Amino acid sequence: GAGVSQSPRYKVAKRGQDVALRCDPISGHVSLFWYQQALGQGPEFLTYFQNEAQLDKSGLPSDRFFAERPEGSVSTLKIQRTQQEDSAVYLCASTPLGVNTEAFFGQGTRLTVV
Amino acid sequence: GENVEQHPSTLSVQEGDSAVIKCTYSDSASNYFPWYKQELGKRPQLIIDIRSNVGEKKDQRIAVTLNKTAKHFSLHITETQPEDSAVYFCAASIGDYKLSFGAGTTVTVRA
Repeated sequence: GAGVSQSPRYKVAKRGQDVALRCDPISGHVSLFWYQQALGQGPEFLTYFQNEAQLDKSGLPSDRFFAERPEGSVSTLKIQRTQQEDSAVYLCASTPLGVNTEAFFGQGTRLTVV
Repeated sequence: GENVEQHPSTLSVQEGDSAVIKCTYSDSASNYFPWYKQELGKRPQLIIDIRSNVGEKKDQRIAVTLNKTAKHFSLHITETQPEDSAVYFCAASIGDYKLSFGAGTTVTVRA
């Protein structure tokens, strides 16, 4: 595709509900990142994949957050038993290499927990 | 971990004037410093980046300077235009792949 695609664009979840957010990175990009962006703040690192391997999950706020990229392309971020503090924009980004270089971001999924 | 501070949080400039945004970082091992522009409701997009082996980089109306000794870097936009209105984020690398972002600067260019 032309860029990083995320779905859904908007998600409203009731507190306690599980949600799954999808990211389609640019084809052939080795690295994939998930970030959480609270209102009025910069993106905060959640997790990093190199191909299918999750090399860093140090930013995941709790064990309710889980991410996977089983075939090294599409990735899913799952949040179990959502809470109000999970409300944020979840951004996915991909880069062609595994080292610091331009990250291409998706438009994000805005999650609102009510 | 890396802590990136960004100032100012908001900036209003007259069209044609210059805009300057400053960031400081804490990790002396950081070696990659990108700047992203995010328009309302849109994805962040890279506008310029700099690596630690250079002190300045320019791309048309945009320039970035880096002072590794003082651990700060700045974005300069000259001859601002209304389409420059957006939120700008600086970032500093942590290790080989992770980025720590500043809180953002909302730039408004007044016509």
